[in-house]
Amino acid sequence: QQQVKQSPQSLIVQKGGIPIINCAYENTAFDYFPWYQQFPGKGPALLIAIRPDVSEKKEGRFTISFNKSAKQFSLHIMDSQPGDSATYFCVSREMNRDDKIIFGKGTRLHILP
Amino acid sequence: DAGVIQSPRHEVTEMGQEVTLRCKPISGHDYLFWYRQTMMRGLELLIYFNNNVPIDDSGMPEDRFSAKMPNASFSTLKIQPSEPRDSAVYFCASSLLQGGPGYTFGSGTRLTVV
Repeated sequence: QQQVKQSPQSLIVQKGGIPIINCAYENTAFDYFPWYQQFPGKGPALLIAIRPDVSEKKEGRFTISFNKSAKQFSLHIMDSQPGDSATYFCVSREMNRDDKIIFGKGTRLHILP
Repeated sequence: DAGVIQSPRHEVTEMGQEVTLRCKPISGHDYLFWYRQTMMRGLELLIYFNNNVPIDDSGMPEDRFSAKMPNASFSTLKIQPSEPRDSAVYFCASSLLQGGPGYTFGSGTRLTVV
């Protein structure tokens, strides 16, 4: 089974800092890399996604950096706020293929006020 | 659209009892997924449906688990008999396409089996 390896498992950052969450994938056929955000008591929700034809995608304070040769991608949160405290999941998959997606193990992020 | 609706939000039951979790997907979404989330194992895909037909149930842990989707607007996940190790949060998600671009998750059912 294809896996995505996510790190760290948990992360504590001061308000205003830049938490970075990393993911590594195996299958070079993967061509879609979304991140999901989950708040306590809620289901995961799509946050931001990237295709491998670009090296970076930015939406507001959230940025995905993508390194195709290393088969790695990461999520950066600029000017982090206590409201960003949540669990973040990376996902890798092959678009347009009838295959189930696999979530990473998740990173529990806590932003200190 | 109200999103994916799951019921109940919380369920506490005694070991050996039957438990039924319910899900109403977003109208027009062809795919429906059932996930289980625990601290130890993270998010696990249990089963998914395409146009009401079960496609892959390889994630269903045991024969005690069963899922149905009688129509496009309703699905159930049943555990019979329930065991304490089934305690987890169960999520239902739906999607237009199998792989995305995004899954819409419900708020989950927290199941506690005592």
